[in-house]
Amino acid sequence: QVTLRESGPALVKPTQTLTLTCTFSGFSLSTSGMCVSWVRQPPGKALEWLALIDWDDDKYYSTSLKTRLTISKDTSKNQVVLTMTNMDPVDTATYYCARISDGDYQFDYWGQGTLVTVSS
Amino acid sequence: QSALTQPPSASGSPGQSVTISCTGTSSDVGGYNYVSWYQQHPGKAPKLMIYEVSKRPSGVPDRFSGSKSGNTASLTVSGLQAEDEADYYCSSYAGSNNFGYVFGTGTKVTVL
Repeated sequence: QVTLRESGPALVKPTQTLTLTCTFSGFSLSTSGMCVSWVRQPPGKALEWLALIDWDDDKYYSTSLKTRLTISKDTSKNQVVLTMTNMDPVDTATYYCARISDGDYQFDYWGQGTLVTVSS
Repeated sequence: QSALTQPPSASGSPGQSVTISCTGTSSDVGGYNYVSWYQQHPGKAPKLMIYEVSKRPSGVPDRFSGSKSGNTASLTVSGLQAEDEADYYCSSYAGSNNFGYVFGTGTKVTVL
């Protein structure tokens, strides 16, 4: 059974760095073809892809946010971590992690999401 | 990378069909057969409904179908049911030169 769960602070101040952790089970990120991605959704708005890390530790970022994002993995803990620097109120959103498997190109399993509010 | 364009809303009566369009460019939708569709109920995580333009994951009713022509992909929901009322998002792979994914602007489907 594949599950993903996001964790992190519910509230961050402007200019601070956000660190989110995706803890997953039911698969290994050391298996060829496996990837974990981060997607966010501001309240009432559309989904936005942020970053992806694959089994080979290759990392890919949204071009509009790449200077602020870092994605990493800890295979032994089954975790993927996303950091976003210089947070701003417009970054208020629900942040999801999602899996891509078997070298495919769709997000087949999603976490329940975690709401992050940026406010002083 | 600009978001894919979807109509803000679509509606139909129970039993009817509704089709949602998703327009991109030759760098995403038109360039790859890696368009997927997600259903999202309020307060819930997205759920994969269609992948690789027209394939259905196990457990997704065959009332849901997908297609693509040029830079525009489409999702059709036939035999609308009350539980189909949700937001729907398309997504496309955007290529290795500018690797990443792009999502659509989202469509609210209302069952009248």
